[in-house]
Amino acid sequence: GAVVSQHPSWVICKSGTSVKIECRSLDFQATTMFWYRQFPKQSLMLMATSNEGSKATYEQGVEKDKFLINHASLTLSTLTVTSAHPEDSSFYICNAVPADLLYEQYFGPGTRLTVT
Amino acid sequence: SQELEQSPQSLIVQEGKNLTINCTSSKTLYGLYWYKQKYGEGLIFLMMLQKGGEEKSHEKITAKLDEKKQQSSLHITASQPSHAGIYLCGAATYNFNKFYFGSGTKLNVKP
Repeated sequence: GAVVSQHPSWVICKSGTSVKIECRSLDFQATTMFWYRQFPKQSLMLMATSNEGSKATYEQGVEKDKFLINHASLTLSTLTVTSAHPEDSSFYICNAVPADLLYEQYFGPGTRLTVT
Repeated sequence: SQELEQSPQSLIVQEGKNLTINCTSSKTLYGLYWYKQKYGEGLIFLMMLQKGGEEKSHEKITAKLDEKKQQSSLHITASQPSHAGIYLCGAATYNFNKFYFGSGTKLNVKP
């Protein structure tokens, strides 16, 4: 089946630094990728929708200048948390949708970010 | 935006008991997905429903989508400790340009 990878799987960074998280579709092309954030004991909250070759669409309340999303190719989307703060510590997960199968949803294994 | 409400928020059942989790939308669902997760881990896909009245089963788990396509239920028969986890329903907008999750249901099965 289709595979989506995320890198890194976990990262610890100091407050004020930036962290980049990669989401790759390994065996299919994804025109759309979604990014989610999950805090402890909560559900997954949609942060933004990333479309290849265009600007990402952010959900209300998500700072686009803080969470930079780049979808430069059909197999790679990146989420950069800029000037990270402890409150950004969370579990980040991506979802890649195949270009020709809109009903299919393939999730990455997630990235645990801890900001100290 | 598409809002998905799940109930109950949490559930504790004795092993062997049946249980039902509900997912309700304020809008028509064009694809309703059920996942299982443990916090901080990836999602395990359970089932996907598209048609009104559709019902699917896998092992001891059955999911249904109502005729109006605004409510789905997930039923577990003879629950086991291995069923414990967080159950999430997810749905796409009509043109599949967004995918949202419900609020989640935490299930604990006591042996």
